[in-house]
Amino acid sequence: QKEVEQNSGPLSVPEGAIASLNCTYSDRGSQSFFWYRQYSGKSPELIMSIYSNGDKEDGRFTAQLNKASQYVSLLIRDSQPSDSATYLCAVNPPGRRALTFGSGTRLQVQP
Amino acid sequence: GAGVSQSPRYKVTKRGQDVALRCDPISGHVSLYWYRQALGQGPEFLTYFNYEAQQDKSGLPNDRFSAERPEGSISTLTIQRTEQRDSAMYRCASSLGSSADTQYFGPGTRLTVL
Repeated sequence: QKEVEQNSGPLSVPEGAIASLNCTYSDRGSQSFFWYRQYSGKSPELIMSIYSNGDKEDGRFTAQLNKASQYVSLLIRDSQPSDSATYLCAVNPPGRRALTFGSGTRLQVQP
Repeated sequence: GAGVSQSPRYKVTKRGQDVALRCDPISGHVSLYWYRQALGQGPEFLTYFNYEAQQDKSGLPNDRFSAERPEGSISTLTIQRTEQRDSAMYRCASSLGSSADTQYFGPGTRLTVL
C-alpha cells in the first residue's frame, strides 16, 4: 500500500462545476496535510494546508480532513479552465519533516 | 521577494560523470529539502537540512548521492558516477522554521544522463 494514494485521473469537469479531489494516507499518526497545485512543466505551489479534522475554506478552495478515515479532500468551487493542473496531496508522517506526496490527480476543466 | 532558486535549470551529462546541483533557499529559511520527481509522479524525498545539519538523509537512494549545506544557506546535491536511471527533475524546497510548515519549491533542475 502506498503511503499517500490519489486517483491519477484525469478528472474532467465543466467550467463552473465543483471539482472534488480525494486522497488517502496510510500512517494514522500523520498530523499535517497539504494540497499543492502543479501546472505542466512548473514546480508545485501550495494552495491549502489543513491540520485539524473538519473543513478549511480559502476562497474557492475547501480542504476537508477526516483523520479517523485517514482521508483528505480538496473541493474547488466554480472551477475555471485555469484550474486545470495536477493536484498533489502531501502528508507529514509523524516524526518526520519531509513531505510524502501522492502521485497527483490531473484535473481538466472544460470551457 | 525572491523565491527558491536552483541551478543549473538543465543539465545533460554522460554516464559515469559527476554532477553538482545547487539550491539557494528563500532568505532566512531554516529548513531545506531535496526531492526528486519522475514524470507523472509526485516529488520523492531525498534529504533534509535544518540550518547546516543534515537531519534526514533516508531518501538518498545510494551512496553515489550526497548533499551538503555548509553555511546553513546554499545547498549542493552531488551525484557521483551518474547512471541513466538518475535522470529526473531534482527539486529543492525551503521552509521558514524547523517545524513541519509550508515548503516552497524551486523551479527544479532537469538532469538527463546519456
